Amino acid sequence: GAVVSQHPSWVICKSGTSVKIECRSLDFQATTMFWYRQFPKQSLMLMATSNEGSKATYEQGVEKDKFLINHASLTLSTLTVTSAHPEDSSFYICSAREGRGDEQYFGPGTRLTVT
Amino acid sequence: GENVEQHPSTLSVQEGDSAVIKCTYSDSASNYFPWYKQELGKRPQLIIDIRSNVGEKKDQRIAVTLNKTAKHFSLHITETQPEDSAVYFCAALYYGQNFVFGPGTRLSVLP
Repeated sequence: GAVVSQHPSWVICKSGTSVKIECRSLDFQATTMFWYRQFPKQSLMLMATSNEGSKATYEQGVEKDKFLINHASLTLSTLTVTSAHPEDSSFYICSAREGRGDEQYFGPGTRLTVT
Repeated sequence: GENVEQHPSTLSVQEGDSAVIKCTYSDSASNYFPWYKQELGKRPQLIIDIRSNVGEKKDQRIAVTLNKTAKHFSLHITETQPEDSAVYFCAALYYGQNFVFGPGTRLSVLP
C-alpha cells in the first residue's frame, strides 16, 4: 500500500517552454501533497505544500508564478514549470500524506533537463 | 523556522563495522523524526522513524535514538553491508505539517 507515482520519470525540454509533472497516489487519498526539488549531491528542498481544493503554499524564495501547482483531486497533484531555464534542471520529487498521518510517501521523482 | 543539521557529510566504514549518523534540530515543537535512505536517482525510502515520546527504536540492524532535551537524534547501523551504501537523510516534522531535511550523509561500506 501507500504507493505514489510520478510521470514522466524524465523529461528534456528547451529553454522557454513549459513542462508538467504529475504526481498520483495510487491506493490512498492524499489530503496533502508536497513538491521537493533536489539538486545533485544536495538535500531535498521543499518547494510547496498543496491541499486538495485549495491554493498551494509556497516556501520562501519559490516563485509561485513560475512553478504552478494544482491539486484538483485527492489522488492527483501537478507541478508545471513555466518558461523553463537551464537553472531549473533538477530532480523533482513529490510526496503525499494520507489524512492526518505524519508519514509522507514519496514518488520516484522526475529528472528535468532544460537545454 | 526549523533547522536540521547532520553529521558527518561523508562516512566510510569497513563491511561488518557500525555506522552512526547524528542530527540536531532547532525547534522543540518538532515531534516526528524519520530517516531516509536514497540511492542515486531514486526516491527516498523510509528506513526507520521515531516519535518524540520514545527514546529509542530498533529494527534488526537499524536503530534510532532521540534525546529531546538536547534536540538530537542518531541513526545506528550495525553489521554494515555493501548494500547499505547510499545517502542517508534525517528529517524533522515541523509543526505537524512539513518535513525539514538534513543535508545528508553519504555512507560508503567498503568490502
